[in-house]
Amino acid sequence: DAGVTQSPTHLIKTRGQQVTLRCSPKSGHDTVSWYQQALGQGPQFIFQYYEEEERQRGNFPDRFSGHQFPNYSSELNVNALLLGDSALYLCASSATSSPQETQYFGPGTRLLVL
Amino acid sequence: AQTVTQSQPEMSVQEAETVTLSCTYDTSESDYYLFWYKQPPSRQMILVIRQEAYKQQNATENRFSVNFQKAAKSFSLKISDSQLGDAAMYFCAYNRYNNDMRFGAGTRLTVKP
Repeated sequence: DAGVTQSPTHLIKTRGQQVTLRCSPKSGHDTVSWYQQALGQGPQFIFQYYEEEERQRGNFPDRFSGHQFPNYSSELNVNALLLGDSALYLCASSATSSPQETQYFGPGTRLLVL
Repeated sequence: AQTVTQSQPEMSVQEAETVTLSCTYDTSESDYYLFWYKQPPSRQMILVIRQEAYKQQNATENRFSVNFQKAAKSFSLKISDSQLGDAAMYFCAYNRYNNDMRFGAGTRLTVKP
């Protein structure tokens, strides 16, 4: 049973560029959440996707957008990159039907903006 | 807004000894879930243990157990018989209805041989 997978593992971009990160959820999961983890801090919630729609959003600007596909995989897009966007981006999947509400995380994508 | 506080930025324990990591949270809700996640240098966030707020019994997973004090809004993690592989960042987290998970700032645990 494959867990949550993310690609790429590392990414280097320059200010002003755009980036797309990808996530495949754990088998049987239908909900994908994205988090940003700055160095030395806990993860911060960006948004959550369910049934191909953004269900909830954290305090992030519109430069951060996402998408969920019919197979439940998801993308995170960040436009007009800033130096402050450098962070580890974590994807977590969960099952809406699960009463335990546990989110399982992928290995993350390390983004460096120069 | 729900907040999670971990007041110990760093902790150290001798191999085979016991260590307790602290976590407090703030919420006005009565039904929620609490979690401890471990994040080793490999970056993967790994679920250690979870607690359902409506269950009074403290959760236990092998060497890991929690002390859940709902009235005090306290949720500490006890690691018994510490092993070198337990060295990592530990994050306490709060969640309700599978919405945005709120994390603490983390505690870095060092295990000394």
